[in-house]
Amino acid sequence: GAVVSQHPSWVICKSGTSVKIECRSLDFQATTMFWYRQFPKQSLMLMATSNEGSKATYEQGVEKDKFLINHASLTLSTLTVTSAHPEDSSFYICSAKVGGRGDETQYFGPGTRLLVL
Amino acid sequence: AQSVTQPDIHITVSEGASLELRCNYSYGATPYLFWYVQSPGQGLQLLLKYFSGDTLVQGIKGFEAEFKRSQSSFNLRKPSVHWSDAAEYFCAVGRNTGGFKTIFGAGTRLFVKA
Repeated sequence: GAVVSQHPSWVICKSGTSVKIECRSLDFQATTMFWYRQFPKQSLMLMATSNEGSKATYEQGVEKDKFLINHASLTLSTLTVTSAHPEDSSFYICSAKVGGRGDETQYFGPGTRLLVL
Repeated sequence: AQSVTQPDIHITVSEGASLELRCNYSYGATPYLFWYVQSPGQGLQLLLKYFSGDTLVQGIKGFEAEFKRSQSSFNLRKPSVHWSDAAEYFCAVGRNTGGFKTIFGAGTRLFVKA
């Protein structure tokens, strides 16, 4: 089946540094990937939609200059948390979409836990 | 605007008992509806989805869900729960106008007791 990987699976960094998270579709190509954020015991909140070869579309309230998204190829999207602060600590999940209209399916990565000290 | 409500934060059932997880949605048109399961250390796994057609949808691991338009519901059921079903379950509604987007409910944590 379709597999999505994320790297790293967890990361601890100092406040003020930047962290890059990679999301890869291992055995399929995805023109559209999504980035979510999940707080403890809460649901997934969509941060942005990443389209290969174009700028990401951010959800309302998500700072695009803080959460930089690059979808450089059909199998790789990256999320960079710039100048991270403790409030950015969270569980970040990506997904890759396949299928056309009326048949969309998302495959999710295992998530990346970020802790900013 | 779309929204998804999962009324039960957590549910405990005995192994072998039946299960029903509730989900209500709000959406102006016919929605795409999904149920996902999230286990610790693993990504969300799709259990089943409804786009159109038969309102009773069969999924993996013995799960099924029924779309009831009149009640704006898409409840997940399983006739006999196994201990390995203990996990977090998310209902989600999707739409594809102006781009595909999925909105998730808050989740229901399922506990299974022996």
